[in-house]
Amino acid sequence: SSELTQDPAVSVALGQTVRITCQGDSLRSYYASWYQQKPGQAPVLVIYSKNNRPSGIPDRFSGSSSGNTASLTITGAQAEDEADYYCTSRDSSGNHVVFGGGTKLTVL
Amino acid sequence: QVTLKESGPVLVKPTETLTLTCTVSGFSLSNGRMGVSWIRQPPGKALEWLAHSFSNDEKSYSTSLKRRLTISKDTSKSQVVLSMTNMDPVDTATYYCARIRDYYDSSSYSTLFDYWGQGTLVTVSS
Repeated sequence: SSELTQDPAVSVALGQTVRITCQGDSLRSYYASWYQQKPGQAPVLVIYSKNNRPSGIPDRFSGSSSGNTASLTITGAQAEDEADYYCTSRDSSGNHVVFGGGTKLTVL
Repeated sequence: QVTLKESGPVLVKPTETLTLTCTVSGFSLSNGRMGVSWIRQPPGKALEWLAHSFSNDEKSYSTSLKRRLTISKDTSKSQVVLSMTNMDPVDTATYYCARIRDYYDSSSYSTLFDYWGQGTLVTVSS
């Protein structure tokens, strides 16, 4: 399969924990990477591989994976975390890259 | 400092060919397990991977768009060029180039886009 499925929208109360998930067969073979995109801006890498954060990404962002599901967890969500989040990985063939449909995170 | 910048037309007519150039700095197109990918995003919609070109000349294209896409690189100019033929209004989107990298550790493999250009909005209209 070449698809990654994400919930279209998720909300979280300020300071609480939220998990954003990404499902796909290819995730049994490849780890996902996660991107944050705010309106009018280019995406920013926030998590890659098992649970690696690029320099400058707050440690409230973490990643995990089990079976065909990858998860991005934000522990203690802040107002500035309100954004669209996308997962991506290689497809099952390993020859192409696929993006999930994105999850719009609202911080209440 | 790694940077990528897209350039090309902002408006193309239906059936025309779009040519976009990504000029990179801060890394080489000929070294390491990395390269440049093109990704697009129609207004209000999700990101869509189009193609990539790695430093070892590995190229790959979206299955659905393969017949219309060509990716090439000029290492001496630090540029990667994407051509898309037979443009249609549904191809209206912001087109991004991004550095693509394969990351390996002891038990995991991940492909990631660690640096992105600002994107360029291409409108297809007569």
